[in-house]
Amino acid sequence: GAGVSQTPSNKVTEKGKYVELRCDPISGHTALYWYRQSLGQGPEFLIYFQGTGAADDSGLPNDRFFAVRPEGSVSTLKIQRTERGDSAVYLCASSLNGVGSEQFFGPGTRLTVL
Amino acid sequence: GQQLNQSPQSMFIQEGEDVSMNCTSSSIFNTWLWYKQDPGEGPVLLIALYKAGELTSNGRLTAQFGITRKDSFLNISASIPSDVGIYFCAGQLGQSGGSNYKLTFGKGTLLTVNP
Repeated sequence: GAGVSQTPSNKVTEKGKYVELRCDPISGHTALYWYRQSLGQGPEFLIYFQGTGAADDSGLPNDRFFAVRPEGSVSTLKIQRTERGDSAVYLCASSLNGVGSEQFFGPGTRLTVL
Repeated sequence: GQQLNQSPQSMFIQEGEDVSMNCTSSSIFNTWLWYKQDPGEGPVLLIALYKAGELTSNGRLTAQFGITRKDSFLNISASIPSDVGIYFCAGQLGQSGGSNYKLTFGKGTLLTVNP
């Protein structure tokens, strides 16, 4: 079966631009997570959705970052006024539900802000 | 954000050797996990540990959940070239409530296996 997919795989943008990163979770998975992985670091939590609602957005670094999951499946991470420090790999993961079930990761979107 | 203390940062070993890596935290976790990440891919779960003191094996991999719930180690026996990659530990609170299912990762151990 299909795993978690993320598009685009690579995104290059200029400082100050707006970007959207998409995540398609495994079908039937109600929980969805976004993580950010900087070079040489482990992934860091950004936001967690249970269904359509953001159950925990405590990892979003500032109000330039926003994520939605309007129908409880596909999620979009939105970054406004991008900065060079936003350059990283953005990973999406999904799990069957939020109760300690395994998180399956997508391949990530590599964002480069020039 | 918080990251766990993972060591060593990198290892270069000969095929057939055993390798050990560990992870410590200043706070308690109820679940410890070990992941492997290949270039251009997301992390893949290797082993999950749910009880303090638990020792779990998965093929050539063995991992333990420390008694204090603040540490874990991963051993790989008889390494092979395809073991090359970055290994991450991760802790999870795992109690009821949305925020307790997020993973807190270490910085990773880069493993190189020389054939």
